Amino acid sequence: QSALSQPPSASESPGHSVTISCTGTTSDVGDSNYVSWYQQHPGKAPKLLIYDVSVRPSGVPDRFSGSKSGNTASLTVSGLQADDEADYFCSSYGGAGTSNLIFGGGTKLTVL
Amino acid sequence: EVQLVESGGGLVQPGGSLRLSCATSGFAFKSHFMTWVRQAPGRGLESVAKIKPDGSETFYADSVRGRFTLSRDNAANSLLLHMNSLRAEDTAVYFCTREYWWRCDYWGQGVLVTVSS
Repeated sequence: QSALSQPPSASESPGHSVTISCTGTTSDVGDSNYVSWYQQHPGKAPKLLIYDVSVRPSGVPDRFSGSKSGNTASLTVSGLQADDEADYFCSSYGGAGTSNLIFGGGTKLTVL
Repeated sequence: EVQLVESGGGLVQPGGSLRLSCATSGFAFKSHFMTWVRQAPGRGLESVAKIKPDGSETFYADSVRGRFTLSRDNAANSLLLHMNSLRAEDTAVYFCTREYWWRCDYWGQGVLVTVSS
């Protein structure tokens, strides 16, 4: 299965909101509620931000929210802060007949 | 506190072998799928190998099938990834993760594998 498609970069000013998209197919994102988002700061391991499309793990601020429409999932970061500058990756169940997660290529978020 | 600690990375020549270990603590290891996810320099994430809680079945990405072997020791709460016939394109940071319902909810710090002559 192919990787999910994300824009390579996004940028916005502090205090504003930004939305990052993650596009798959009818076989993966479009057919699954198992879409997750991860945040990765340079040199660090990814951290789970959102799972099951829109659920935040304990400790993740409600400034982070997820949604899905058709074959595209989205991560919205509201009230941008300097520490939100990081790489963001999406993942999804790969569809029937697959066993491994598929990931997006990642989006580098710059807080201007 | 859940902890995943990888070890065993390093520099290896093309065609060589390497063994990665992941020591875990803080959760019921024997009840969880475990997955190795790798990240090539400056690139995205790739799930390369996954194992069922009881170790009865493993799943591999096409890119590593036949060359990598994943196993687990539930008595020792540890994971082992044997990597053979290594190629330059296997160069990456390898993360040990706990996978729960199609999400990697805990990650180790990662270990670097460099395949180069």
